[in-house]
Amino acid sequence: GESVGLHLPTLSVQEGDNSIINCAYSNSASDYFIWYKQESGKGPQFIIDIRSNMDKRQGQRVTVLLNKTVKHLSLQIAATQPGDSAVYFCAENYGGSQGNLIFGKGTKLSVKP
Amino acid sequence: DAGVIQSPRHEVTEMGQEVTLRCKPISGHNSLFWYRQTMMRGLELLIYFNNNVPIDDSGMPEDRFSAKMPNASFSTLKIQPSEPRDSAVYFCASSSRGLSPNSNQPQHFGDGTRLSIL
Repeated sequence: GESVGLHLPTLSVQEGDNSIINCAYSNSASDYFIWYKQESGKGPQFIIDIRSNMDKRQGQRVTVLLNKTVKHLSLQIAATQPGDSAVYFCAENYGGSQGNLIFGKGTKLSVKP
Repeated sequence: DAGVIQSPRHEVTEMGQEVTLRCKPISGHNSLFWYRQTMMRGLELLIYFNNNVPIDDSGMPEDRFSAKMPNASFSTLKIQPSEPRDSAVYFCASSSRGLSPNSNQPQHFGDGTRLSIL
Protein backbone atom coordinates (compact mmCIF):
# COMPACT_ATOMS: atom_id res chain seq x y z
CA GLY A 1 0.00 0.00 0.00
CA GLU A 2 0.97 3.64 -0.20
CA SER A 3 3.15 4.74 2.67
CA VAL A 4 5.73 7.22 3.76
CA GLY A 5 9.05 5.76 4.82
CA LEU A 6 12.25 7.07 6.32
CA HIS A 7 15.71 6.03 5.19
CA LEU A 8 17.42 6.41 8.56
CA PRO A 9 15.77 5.41 11.80
CA THR A 10 18.46 7.11 13.92
CA LEU A 11 20.81 10.00 13.34
CA SER A 12 23.52 11.21 15.67
CA VAL A 13 25.20 14.57 15.05
CA GLN A 14 27.60 16.85 16.84
CA GLU A 15 26.28 20.08 18.26
CA GLY A 16 26.80 22.85 15.76
CA ASP A 17 26.81 20.58 12.74
CA ASN A 18 24.08 20.54 10.14
CA SER A 19 21.56 17.69 10.17
CA ILE A 20 19.79 16.16 7.21
CA ILE A 21 16.80 13.90 7.73
CA ASN A 22 15.45 12.10 4.69
CA CYS A 23 12.07 10.78 3.75
CA ALA A 24 10.75 8.84 0.77
CA TYR A 25 7.13 9.00 -0.22
CA SER A 26 5.40 6.63 -2.54
CA ASN A 27 2.33 8.46 -3.80
CA SER A 28 3.09 10.69 -6.77
CA ALA A 29 -0.29 12.36 -6.30
CA SER A 30 0.68 13.73 -2.88
CA ASP A 31 0.54 17.50 -2.98
CA TYR A 32 1.37 18.63 0.52
CA PHE A 33 4.13 17.60 2.91
CA ILE A 34 4.85 18.41 6.51
CA TRP A 35 7.72 17.86 8.92
CA TYR A 36 6.95 17.37 12.59
CA LYS A 37 9.18 17.19 15.65
CA GLN A 38 8.15 15.06 18.58
CA GLU A 39 9.81 15.28 21.96
CA SER A 40 9.33 12.66 24.64
CA GLY A 41 5.94 12.87 26.28
CA LYS A 42 4.63 15.47 23.86
CA GLY A 43 2.61 15.58 20.71
CA PRO A 44 4.10 16.16 17.26
CA GLN A 45 5.02 19.79 16.78
CA PHE A 46 4.72 21.41 13.36
CA ILE A 47 8.08 22.52 11.95
CA ILE A 48 7.61 23.37 8.30
CA ASP A 49 5.47 22.43 5.33
CA ILE A 50 5.80 22.52 1.57
CA ARG A 51 3.38 22.21 -1.30
CA SER A 52 4.08 20.19 -4.40
CA ASN A 53 4.43 23.30 -6.55
CA MET A 54 7.59 24.20 -4.63
CA ASP A 55 11.06 22.62 -4.49
CA LYS A 56 12.40 24.36 -1.43
CA ARG A 57 11.15 26.24 1.56
CA GLN A 58 13.11 27.82 4.38
CA GLY A 59 12.23 28.54 7.95
CA GLN A 60 14.24 29.50 10.97
CA ARG A 61 17.31 27.21 10.85
CA VAL A 62 15.32 24.64 8.86
CA THR A 63 14.98 23.99 5.16
CA VAL A 64 12.75 21.48 3.46
CA LEU A 65 13.61 20.20 0.00
CA LEU A 66 11.18 18.38 -2.22
CA ASN A 67 12.29 16.32 -5.19
CA LYS A 68 9.18 15.14 -6.98
CA THR A 69 11.15 13.26 -9.62
CA VAL A 70 12.39 10.72 -7.12
CA LYS A 71 9.65 11.32 -4.55
CA HIS A 72 12.05 12.42 -1.87
CA LEU A 73 11.72 14.90 0.95
CA SER A 74 14.43 16.14 3.26
CA LEU A 75 14.68 18.33 6.33
CA GLN A 76 17.87 20.24 6.91
CA ILE A 77 18.60 21.70 10.31
CA ALA A 78 21.40 24.23 10.46
CA ALA A 79 23.71 24.50 13.47
CA THR A 80 22.00 21.65 15.30
CA GLN A 81 21.46 22.27 18.99
CA PRO A 82 20.80 19.88 21.90
CA GLY A 83 17.20 21.11 21.93
CA ASP A 84 16.79 19.68 18.45
CA SER A 85 17.06 16.15 19.83
CA ALA A 86 13.73 14.50 19.11
CA VAL A 87 11.97 12.18 16.71
CA TYR A 88 11.20 13.77 13.37
CA PHE A 89 8.31 12.67 11.20
CA CYS A 90 7.51 13.49 7.64
CA ALA A 91 3.91 13.32 6.50
CA GLU A 92 2.23 13.47 3.13
CA ASN A 93 -1.26 14.40 2.14
CA TYR A 94 -2.89 13.16 -1.02
CA GLY A 95 -6.47 13.39 0.07
CA GLY A 96 -7.29 16.71 -1.46
CA SER A 97 -7.73 19.76 0.68
CA GLN A 98 -7.52 17.99 4.01
CA GLY A 99 -7.66 14.87 5.98
CA ASN A 100 -5.60 12.01 4.75
CA LEU A 101 -2.21 12.78 6.29
CA ILE A 102 0.06 9.74 6.25
CA PHE A 103 3.01 9.73 8.64
CA GLY A 104 6.34 8.02 8.29
CA LYS A 105 7.81 5.94 11.07
CA GLY A 106 10.11 8.69 12.27
CA THR A 107 13.84 9.37 12.63
CA LYS A 108 15.40 9.88 16.02
CA LEU A 109 17.90 12.72 16.05
CA SER A 110 20.46 12.75 18.85
CA VAL A 111 22.68 15.78 19.27
CA LYS A 112 25.99 15.23 21.03
CA PRO A 113 27.36 18.19 23.00
CA ASP B 1 -2.47 31.09 22.42
CA ALA B 2 -4.01 27.88 23.71
CA GLY B 3 -3.17 24.83 21.68
CA VAL B 4 -5.11 21.61 21.38
CA ILE B 5 -6.06 20.45 24.86
CA GLN B 6 -6.51 16.80 25.67
CA SER B 7 -7.66 15.10 28.83
CA PRO B 8 -6.82 13.09 30.72
CA ARG B 9 -3.06 13.01 30.14
CA HIS B 10 -2.83 9.52 31.55
CA GLU B 11 -5.45 6.82 31.97
CA VAL B 12 -4.98 3.42 33.53
CA THR B 13 -7.97 1.13 33.67
CA GLU B 14 -8.90 -2.50 33.66
CA MET B 15 -9.90 -4.48 30.64
CA GLY B 16 -13.59 -4.25 29.90
CA GLN B 17 -14.04 -0.75 31.26
CA GLU B 18 -15.28 2.15 29.21
CA VAL B 19 -12.68 4.79 28.38
CA THR B 20 -13.48 8.32 27.23
CA LEU B 21 -10.82 10.62 25.86
CA ARG B 22 -11.52 14.29 25.41
CA CYS B 23 -10.24 16.98 23.10
CA LYS B 24 -10.65 20.71 22.76
CA PRO B 25 -9.36 21.92 19.37
CA ILE B 26 -7.77 25.27 18.69
CA SER B 27 -10.43 27.96 18.50
CA GLY B 28 -11.37 28.70 14.92
CA HIS B 29 -10.13 25.40 13.53
CA ASN B 30 -12.78 23.47 11.66
CA SER B 31 -11.07 20.12 11.23
CA LEU B 32 -10.34 17.69 14.02
CA PHE B 33 -8.39 14.47 13.91
CA TRP B 34 -7.91 11.54 16.26
CA TYR B 35 -4.69 9.52 16.01
CA ARG B 36 -3.24 6.56 17.81
CA GLN B 37 0.51 6.10 18.27
CA THR B 38 2.28 2.86 19.11
CA MET B 39 5.85 1.72 18.71
CA MET B 40 4.81 -1.00 16.29
CA ARG B 41 2.50 0.96 14.03
CA GLY B 42 3.56 4.56 14.50
CA LEU B 43 0.96 7.29 14.08
CA GLU B 44 -2.34 6.08 12.68
CA LEU B 45 -5.31 8.26 11.78
CA LEU B 46 -8.45 6.92 13.38
CA ILE B 47 -11.07 9.43 12.31
CA TYR B 48 -11.42 13.04 11.29
CA PHE B 49 -14.18 15.62 11.33
CA ASN B 50 -14.83 18.68 9.22
CA ASN B 51 -17.24 21.22 10.68
CA ASN B 52 -18.23 18.68 13.36
CA VAL B 53 -19.18 16.06 10.77
CA PRO B 54 -17.26 12.76 10.61
CA ILE B 55 -15.65 12.52 7.18
CA ASP B 56 -13.53 9.39 7.31
CA ASP B 57 -13.65 6.79 10.07
CA SER B 58 -11.96 4.02 8.12
CA GLY B 59 -9.09 4.02 10.60
CA MET B 60 -11.27 3.17 13.57
CA PRO B 61 -10.16 -0.32 14.58
CA GLU B 62 -13.54 -1.81 15.32
CA ASP B 63 -16.96 -1.14 16.68
CA ARG B 64 -15.62 -0.81 20.19
CA PHE B 65 -14.31 2.60 19.13
CA SER B 66 -16.57 5.58 18.60
CA ALA B 67 -15.99 9.31 18.26
CA LYS B 68 -18.28 12.30 18.49
CA MET B 69 -18.00 16.01 17.97
CA PRO B 70 -21.11 17.64 19.40
CA ASN B 71 -19.80 21.16 18.77
CA ALA B 72 -16.85 23.00 17.33
CA SER B 73 -14.94 23.10 20.60
CA PHE B 74 -15.22 19.55 21.87
CA SER B 75 -14.73 15.98 20.75
CA THR B 76 -14.62 12.60 22.46
CA LEU B 77 -13.13 9.25 21.56
CA LYS B 78 -14.71 6.37 23.41
CA ILE B 79 -13.60 2.77 23.73
CA GLN B 80 -16.13 0.31 25.11
CA PRO B 81 -15.20 -2.28 26.18
CA SER B 82 -11.47 -1.60 26.37
CA GLU B 83 -8.86 -4.29 25.75
CA PRO B 84 -5.13 -4.46 26.55
CA ARG B 85 -4.26 -4.08 22.85
CA ASP B 86 -5.85 -0.63 22.93
CA SER B 87 -2.96 0.59 25.07
CA ALA B 88 -1.31 3.43 23.20
CA VAL B 89 -0.95 7.19 23.13
CA TYR B 90 -3.99 8.85 21.59
CA PHE B 91 -3.55 12.24 19.99
CA CYS B 92 -6.03 14.82 18.90
CA ALA B 93 -5.12 17.39 16.27
CA SER B 94 -6.91 20.29 14.65
CA SER B 95 -6.44 22.49 11.61
CA SER B 96 -8.10 25.10 9.46
CA ARG B 97 -9.51 23.51 6.37
CA GLY B 98 -9.39 25.47 3.18
CA LEU B 99 -11.88 25.21 0.41
CA SER B 100 -9.47 24.38 -2.38
CA PRO B 101 -6.92 21.59 -2.82
CA ASN B 102 -4.07 24.10 -2.54
CA SER B 103 -5.17 25.47 0.79
CA ASN B 104 -3.82 22.74 3.05
CA GLN B 105 -2.97 23.84 6.53
CA PRO B 106 -0.85 21.93 9.04
CA GLN B 107 -2.45 19.94 11.79
CA HIS B 108 -1.61 21.01 15.32
CA PHE B 109 -1.43 18.29 17.93
CA GLY B 110 -2.24 18.07 21.59
CA ASP B 111 0.12 16.34 23.99
CA GLY B 112 -1.91 13.15 23.93
CA THR B 113 -3.50 10.74 26.36
CA ARG B 114 -1.37 7.80 27.40
CA LEU B 115 -3.79 4.92 27.80
CA SER B 116 -2.92 1.71 29.59
CA ILE B 117 -5.42 -1.13 29.70
CA LEU B 118 -4.54 -3.77 32.26
